[in-house]
Amino acid sequence: EPEVTQTPSHQVTQMGQEVILRCVPISNHLYFYWYRQILGQKVEFLVSFYNNEISEKSEIFDDQFSVERPDGSNFTLKIRSTKLEDSAMYFCASSETSRGNQPQHFGDGTRLSIL
Amino acid sequence: GDSVTQMEGPVTLSEEAFLTINCTYTATGYPSLFWYVQYPGEGLQLLLKATKADDKGSNKGFEATYRKETTSFHLEKGSVQVSDSAVYFCALSDRGGGFKTIFGAGTRLFVKA
Repeated sequence: EPEVTQTPSHQVTQMGQEVILRCVPISNHLYFYWYRQILGQKVEFLVSFYNNEISEKSEIFDDQFSVERPDGSNFTLKIRSTKLEDSAMYFCASSETSRGNQPQHFGDGTRLSIL
Repeated sequence: GDSVTQMEGPVTLSEEAFLTINCTYTATGYPSLFWYVQYPGEGLQLLLKATKADDKGSNKGFEATYRKETTSFHLEKGSVQVSDSAVYFCALSDRGGGFKTIFGAGTRLFVKA
């Protein structure tokens, strides 16, 4: 079964540094998402992306964050100047359509640790 | 806005016990409902889904029925195994919410042998 893949599985970065998290969505999917899960807390929506632009973003997704689909397969989340509170598990997801009855498929996540 | 509320954990059961994890939701539209499972150190896996009222989603012995009248989607399993130990997330996706997935806080399940 096709999978969403994320790299790296674990990223350790100094506070203030830029970090790029990478995702390869399922190949025929058109809608892409990033979510965040701070340790022990709920999974929170960050941003959705379709047709090379952001469809929706949450309050968490401030100017420090950006997303990009640099080629036909990758979908990246960039955090420009990391803060301690950015430490979390970041999940990428994709779906074939935007209809609510189609579940999003999630990757295994990237654990981001900010020192 | 849309939201999901699920019972707090952790839930600790003995093997072969009956499991219920309660989930209720608030939505502006007519949402689709999901249960995701997260095994230790792994990502989120879709466990089951239901897209309209009275639908029953089922997978791996787990079941949940979409109850519009009570806005609930409780997860049940008749006989849990040690391998079911994980965190279970109730979630919804709704046109009114822009089709992002909104998750409950998660319920950690421990199953003892």
